[in-house]
Amino acid sequence: DAMVIQNPRYQVTQFGKPVTLSCSQTLNHNVMYWYQQKSSQAPKLLFHYYDKDFNNEADTPDNFQSRRPNTSFCFLDIRSPGLGDAAMYLCATSRERLGGRGFEQFFGPGTRLTVL
Amino acid sequence: AQSVTQLDSQVPVFEEAPVELRCNYSSSVSVYLFWYVQYPNQGLQLLLKYLSGSTLVESINGFEAEFNKSQTSFHLRKPSVHISDTAEYFCAVRAYSGAGSYQLTFGKGTKLSVIP
Repeated sequence: DAMVIQNPRYQVTQFGKPVTLSCSQTLNHNVMYWYQQKSSQAPKLLFHYYDKDFNNEADTPDNFQSRRPNTSFCFLDIRSPGLGDAAMYLCATSRERLGGRGFEQFFGPGTRLTVL
Repeated sequence: AQSVTQLDSQVPVFEEAPVELRCNYSSSVSVYLFWYVQYPNQGLQLLLKYLSGSTLVESINGFEAEFNKSQTSFHLRKPSVHISDTAEYFCAVRAYSGAGSYQLTFGKGTKLSVIP
Protein backbone atom coordinates (compact mmCIF):
# COMPACT_ATOMS: atom_id res chain seq x y z
CA ASP A 1 0.00 0.00 0.00
CA ALA A 2 1.13 3.51 -0.78
CA MET A 3 1.98 5.30 2.43
CA VAL A 4 4.01 7.75 4.46
CA ILE A 5 6.55 6.13 6.77
CA GLN A 6 8.34 7.74 9.67
CA ASN A 7 11.31 6.34 11.53
CA PRO A 8 11.81 5.92 14.35
CA ARG A 9 8.38 6.06 16.00
CA TYR A 10 9.97 7.02 19.30
CA GLN A 11 13.26 8.89 19.69
CA VAL A 12 15.02 9.80 22.91
CA THR A 13 17.89 12.27 22.82
CA GLN A 14 19.85 14.32 25.28
CA PHE A 15 19.70 18.04 25.69
CA GLY A 16 21.90 19.59 23.00
CA LYS A 17 22.62 16.34 21.15
CA PRO A 18 21.75 16.54 17.43
CA VAL A 19 18.99 14.28 16.22
CA THR A 20 17.60 13.38 12.80
CA LEU A 21 14.09 12.17 12.08
CA SER A 22 13.29 10.55 8.77
CA CYS A 23 10.27 10.36 6.53
CA SER A 24 9.74 8.39 3.36
CA GLN A 25 6.78 8.10 1.02
CA THR A 26 5.66 5.73 -1.69
CA LEU A 27 2.92 8.05 -2.96
CA ASN A 28 5.21 9.91 -5.37
CA HIS A 29 3.86 13.19 -4.08
CA ASN A 30 5.79 16.33 -4.96
CA VAL A 31 5.26 18.19 -1.67
CA MET A 32 6.49 17.08 1.74
CA TYR A 33 5.79 18.81 5.04
CA TRP A 34 7.11 18.70 8.60
CA TYR A 35 4.83 19.61 11.48
CA GLN A 36 5.51 19.88 15.19
CA GLN A 37 2.67 18.88 17.50
CA LYS A 38 2.90 19.45 21.22
CA SER A 39 0.58 17.79 23.68
CA SER A 40 -3.07 18.78 23.23
CA GLN A 41 -2.21 21.28 20.52
CA ALA A 42 -2.77 21.54 16.80
CA PRO A 43 0.02 20.57 14.42
CA LYS A 44 2.26 23.53 13.63
CA LEU A 45 3.91 23.70 10.22
CA LEU A 46 7.68 24.03 10.42
CA PHE A 47 8.55 23.95 6.71
CA HIS A 48 7.77 22.19 3.48
CA TYR A 49 9.41 21.20 0.22
CA TYR A 50 7.59 21.92 -3.02
CA ASP A 51 9.55 19.61 -5.29
CA LYS A 52 13.12 20.70 -4.50
CA ASP A 53 12.19 24.16 -3.28
CA PHE A 54 12.47 24.62 0.47
CA ASN A 55 9.89 26.84 2.17
CA ASN A 56 10.54 27.78 5.77
CA GLU A 57 7.85 29.19 8.04
CA ALA A 58 8.76 32.60 9.43
CA ASP A 59 8.62 31.49 13.06
CA THR A 60 10.49 28.20 12.70
CA PRO A 61 13.65 28.36 14.86
CA ASP A 62 17.03 28.10 13.14
CA ASN A 63 17.65 25.03 15.27
CA PHE A 64 15.40 23.11 12.87
CA GLN A 65 16.71 22.18 9.44
CA SER A 66 15.50 19.88 6.69
CA ARG A 67 16.89 17.94 3.76
CA ARG A 68 15.18 16.30 0.84
CA PRO A 69 17.73 14.25 -1.12
CA ASN A 70 15.11 12.85 -3.50
CA THR A 71 11.35 12.70 -4.07
CA SER A 72 10.81 9.88 -1.62
CA PHE A 73 12.79 10.97 1.43
CA CYS A 74 12.80 13.97 3.70
CA PHE A 75 14.73 14.52 6.94
CA LEU A 76 14.24 16.78 9.91
CA ASP A 77 17.43 17.76 11.72
CA ILE A 78 17.35 19.33 15.15
CA ARG A 79 20.83 20.70 15.71
CA SER A 80 20.67 21.30 19.47
CA PRO A 81 17.45 19.98 20.98
CA GLY A 82 16.11 21.77 23.99
CA LEU A 83 13.52 20.58 26.48
CA GLY A 84 10.93 22.67 24.65
CA ASP A 85 11.48 20.67 21.46
CA ALA A 86 9.94 17.54 22.96
CA ALA A 87 6.90 16.87 20.80
CA MET A 88 5.37 14.65 18.16
CA TYR A 89 6.83 15.37 14.73
CA LEU A 90 4.55 14.63 11.82
CA CYS A 91 5.53 14.26 8.21
CA ALA A 92 2.92 14.77 5.52
CA THR A 93 2.79 14.69 1.74
CA SER A 94 0.51 16.04 -0.94
CA ARG A 95 0.32 16.25 -4.70
CA GLU A 96 0.11 19.83 -5.81
CA ARG A 97 -0.49 21.12 -9.30
CA LEU A 98 -0.55 24.56 -10.80
CA GLY A 99 -3.75 26.23 -9.69
CA GLY A 100 -3.81 24.29 -6.41
CA ARG A 101 -6.84 22.05 -6.76
CA GLY A 102 -6.96 21.33 -3.05
CA PHE A 103 -5.50 17.91 -2.64
CA GLU A 104 -5.42 16.69 0.93
CA GLN A 105 -2.30 15.97 2.90
CA PHE A 106 -1.42 12.41 3.86
CA PHE A 107 0.23 12.02 7.23
CA GLY A 108 2.71 9.54 8.60
CA PRO A 109 2.30 7.99 12.08
CA GLY A 110 4.66 10.53 13.64
CA THR A 111 7.86 10.37 15.69
CA ARG A 112 7.57 11.19 19.37
CA LEU A 113 10.72 12.97 20.50
CA THR A 114 11.77 12.98 24.14
CA VAL A 115 14.58 15.28 25.28
CA LEU A 116 16.33 14.37 28.52
CA ALA B 1 -4.76 35.06 6.73
CA GLN B 2 -7.05 32.20 7.53
CA SER B 3 -7.87 30.81 10.97
CA VAL B 4 -9.88 27.93 12.37
CA THR B 5 -11.82 27.89 15.62
CA GLN B 6 -12.98 24.69 17.24
CA LEU B 7 -15.27 25.85 19.98
CA ASP B 8 -15.12 22.75 22.18
CA SER B 9 -11.84 21.32 23.42
CA GLN B 10 -13.51 18.24 24.90
CA VAL B 11 -16.82 16.57 24.13
CA PRO B 12 -18.02 13.60 26.21
CA VAL B 13 -20.96 11.69 24.79
CA PHE B 14 -22.66 8.41 25.57
CA GLU B 15 -22.39 5.53 23.16
CA GLU B 16 -25.09 5.53 20.46
CA ALA B 17 -25.92 9.19 21.12
CA PRO B 18 -25.54 11.84 18.40
CA VAL B 19 -22.62 14.25 18.41
CA GLU B 20 -21.69 17.53 16.75
CA LEU B 21 -18.17 18.94 16.74
CA ARG B 22 -18.14 22.58 15.81
CA CYS B 23 -15.73 24.31 13.48
CA ASN B 24 -15.71 27.89 12.26
CA TYR B 25 -13.17 29.39 9.91
CA SER B 26 -12.20 32.80 8.72
CA SER B 27 -10.76 33.44 5.31
CA SER B 28 -11.11 36.16 2.75
CA VAL B 29 -10.61 33.78 -0.16
CA SER B 30 -12.06 30.52 -1.39
CA VAL B 31 -11.28 27.68 0.93
CA TYR B 32 -11.07 23.95 1.01
CA LEU B 33 -12.09 22.36 4.31
CA PHE B 34 -11.04 19.14 5.98
CA TRP B 35 -11.68 17.09 9.07
CA TYR B 36 -8.86 14.88 10.31
CA VAL B 37 -8.99 12.30 13.12
CA GLN B 38 -6.05 11.42 15.35
CA TYR B 39 -5.96 8.33 17.56
CA PRO B 40 -3.48 8.25 20.48
CA ASN B 41 0.17 8.23 19.38
CA GLN B 42 -0.76 8.14 15.72
CA GLY B 43 -0.69 10.53 12.80
CA LEU B 44 -3.66 12.34 11.36
CA GLN B 45 -6.08 10.50 9.11
CA LEU B 46 -8.36 12.31 6.70
CA LEU B 47 -11.99 11.86 7.68
CA LEU B 48 -13.70 13.96 5.02
CA LYS B 49 -13.19 17.01 2.86
CA TYR B 50 -15.08 19.78 1.12
CA LEU B 51 -13.58 21.06 -2.10
CA SER B 52 -16.61 22.16 -4.11
CA GLY B 53 -20.08 21.02 -5.15
CA SER B 54 -22.50 19.58 -2.61
CA THR B 55 -22.18 21.29 0.72
CA LEU B 56 -22.88 18.06 2.61
CA VAL B 57 -20.00 15.60 2.61
CA GLU B 58 -19.91 12.16 4.16
CA SER B 59 -17.28 9.73 5.34
CA ILE B 60 -17.35 5.95 5.10
CA ASN B 61 -17.79 5.50 8.86
CA GLY B 62 -20.96 7.53 9.33
CA PHE B 63 -19.62 11.04 9.90
CA GLU B 64 -20.87 13.95 7.86
CA ALA B 65 -20.06 17.65 7.68
CA GLU B 66 -21.88 20.54 6.11
CA PHE B 67 -20.17 23.54 4.59
CA ASN B 68 -22.08 26.72 5.40
CA LYS B 69 -20.55 29.68 3.65
CA SER B 70 -22.80 32.32 5.21
CA GLN B 71 -21.95 31.13 8.71
CA THR B 72 -18.35 30.21 7.80
CA SER B 73 -18.82 26.86 9.48
CA PHE B 74 -17.97 23.24 8.75
CA HIS B 75 -19.46 21.30 11.67
CA LEU B 76 -18.91 17.56 11.97
CA ARG B 77 -21.81 15.31 12.96
CA LYS B 78 -22.56 11.68 13.59
CA PRO B 79 -26.05 10.40 14.47
CA SER B 80 -24.83 7.52 16.64
CA VAL B 81 -21.31 7.25 18.03
CA HIS B 82 -19.33 4.13 18.90
CA ILE B 83 -16.60 3.54 21.44
CA SER B 84 -14.14 3.33 18.57
CA ASP B 85 -14.87 6.97 17.67
CA THR B 86 -12.99 8.11 20.77
CA ALA B 87 -10.18 10.24 19.35
CA GLU B 88 -9.14 13.82 18.72
CA TYR B 89 -10.68 15.59 15.74
CA PHE B 90 -9.04 18.46 13.90
CA CYS B 91 -10.74 20.83 11.51
CA ALA B 92 -8.48 22.40 8.90
CA VAL B 93 -8.75 24.99 6.16
CA ARG B 94 -6.56 25.12 3.09
CA ALA B 95 -6.28 28.43 1.40
CA TYR B 96 -3.99 30.26 -0.96
CA SER B 97 -1.39 32.22 0.97
CA GLY B 98 0.36 33.94 -1.92
CA ALA B 99 3.34 33.32 -4.22
CA GLY B 100 1.94 30.01 -5.38
CA SER B 101 1.82 28.60 -1.88
CA TYR B 102 -1.12 26.92 -0.13
CA GLN B 103 -1.27 26.61 3.64
CA LEU B 104 -3.21 24.13 5.75
CA THR B 105 -4.28 25.75 9.02
CA PHE B 106 -5.57 23.54 11.82
CA GLY B 107 -7.92 24.24 14.67
CA LYS B 108 -6.81 23.33 18.19
CA GLY B 109 -8.70 20.06 18.11
CA THR B 110 -11.67 18.54 19.92
CA LYS B 111 -11.24 15.43 22.04
CA LEU B 112 -14.27 13.20 21.65
CA SER B 113 -14.76 10.73 24.49
CA VAL B 114 -17.45 8.10 24.00
CA ILE B 115 -18.80 6.78 27.28
CA PRO B 116 -20.06 3.17 27.39
